Amino acid sequence: GIQVEQSPPDLILQEGANSTLRCNFSDSVNNLQWFHQNPWGQLINLFYIPSGTKQNGRLSATTVATERYSLLYISSSQTTDSGVYFCAVRARGSSNTGKLIFGQGTTLQVKP
Amino acid sequence: DAGVIQSPRHEVTEMGQEVTLRCKPISGHDYLFWYRQTMMRGLELLIYFNNNVPIDDSGMPEDRFSAKMPNASFSTLKIQPSEPRDSAVYFCASSAREARGGYTFGSGTRLTVV
Repeated sequence: GIQVEQSPPDLILQEGANSTLRCNFSDSVNNLQWFHQNPWGQLINLFYIPSGTKQNGRLSATTVATERYSLLYISSSQTTDSGVYFCAVRARGSSNTGKLIFGQGTTLQVKP
Repeated sequence: DAGVIQSPRHEVTEMGQEVTLRCKPISGHDYLFWYRQTMMRGLELLIYFNNNVPIDDSGMPEDRFSAKMPNASFSTLKIQPSEPRDSAVYFCASSAREARGGYTFGSGTRLTVV
């Protein structure tokens, strides 16, 4: 099955810094999503981005489907950005039309 | 919309007991997913439904686990009998047709089996 690899596994930032999180995947995809799991355990959908670029406030994401990677940018980080960021994908041509596979996540800690 | 609603938020039970987790998806969403999250294995898909029909249950660990979706607004995940290794956070998520536009997750049920 499709493999999803996220890097770095852990990241510590000072408040106000910028960061880039990466998601590599091993096969063509027709669905890619980024999630944030906050320290209370809630999973929040950040972006649905199988290709192209999207922006939402201080966050933006770019997926280069032909090269099988996606990037999540966090600018001017805040302590509330702390948590785990997951990338999840669905392989193109998958017989299971709804099945998303999650990466292992990037744990981000933003220090005040 | 109130989002995806799961209950209970926390459950502590003794080994061997039956556990039932509940989920109400977002109205109008055609897909419903049950995930389990542990430190060791991360987020694993257990089963998902499309229009109330189970499509893929290959992630269900064993026969002790079962899931139902009797109508578009309700689903249950049952573990009988429960074991300590079932301790995890169980998430329900729903999405619109063909999973476009992203998943919406519930707040999860933290299950502890002692």
